Amino acid sequence: AAGVIQSPRHLIKEKRETATLKCYPIPRHDTVYWYQQGPGQDPQFLISFYEKMQSDKGSIPDRFSAQQFSDYHSELNMSSLELGDSALYFCASRPGTSTWTGELFFGEGSRLTVL
Amino acid sequence: LAKTTQPISMDSYEGQEVNITCSHNNIATNDYITWYQQFPSQGPRFIIQGYKTKVTNEVASLFIPADRKSSTLSLPRVSLSDTAVYYCLVGDMYTGNQFYFGTGTSLTVIP
Repeated sequence: AAGVIQSPRHLIKEKRETATLKCYPIPRHDTVYWYQQGPGQDPQFLISFYEKMQSDKGSIPDRFSAQQFSDYHSELNMSSLELGDSALYFCASRPGTSTWTGELFFGEGSRLTVL
Repeated sequence: LAKTTQPISMDSYEGQEVNITCSHNNIATNDYITWYQQFPSQGPRFIIQGYKTKVTNEVASLFIPADRKSSTLSLPRVSLSDTAVYYCLVGDMYTGNQFYFGTGTSLTVIP
């Protein structure tokens, strides 16, 4: 079965650079969630989108922005990178509420390392 | 943002039943309780979800008392491969919002 695809899987950037992470949800899933998980930490919710509109906002820094496109894939843009941005970034997707059983389907994550 | 509280860590011997309790005192009417398992450097994986009373699937059971202020994940006869971090999430099933991770429980299964 198709899963959530995240790219790139690994990314190395220098401080003050920018990075873009991409998430391709499972087909027919219209909602995407982004989470950040630092080393040894729990996943922190960043932002979510439903039908291309932001639906919930968490601990997303102002240096970060995200959007969901017409094909439902989502991109997380990170600028002025800091050492503390080094983390695993997870994307999760789900179908619309009418068919949703409550499960969030997570990708394998994108590991960002800021040097 | 997290709305849940769990024990930081637990140890169990192989073959034993493990019960992990999550406290969610401010749970709202539309909130459902969902549990996830996470291995190092992997995405969280759904285990079970419930609203009230008891839910059972092929890998776990979830017990939710009438006041819904807590829930207990029960893993029968754990094996070494169950060593992982377990998270309880409480989120709104109608809006899909507020699915925030709290501090998970690191379960170590001992041979």
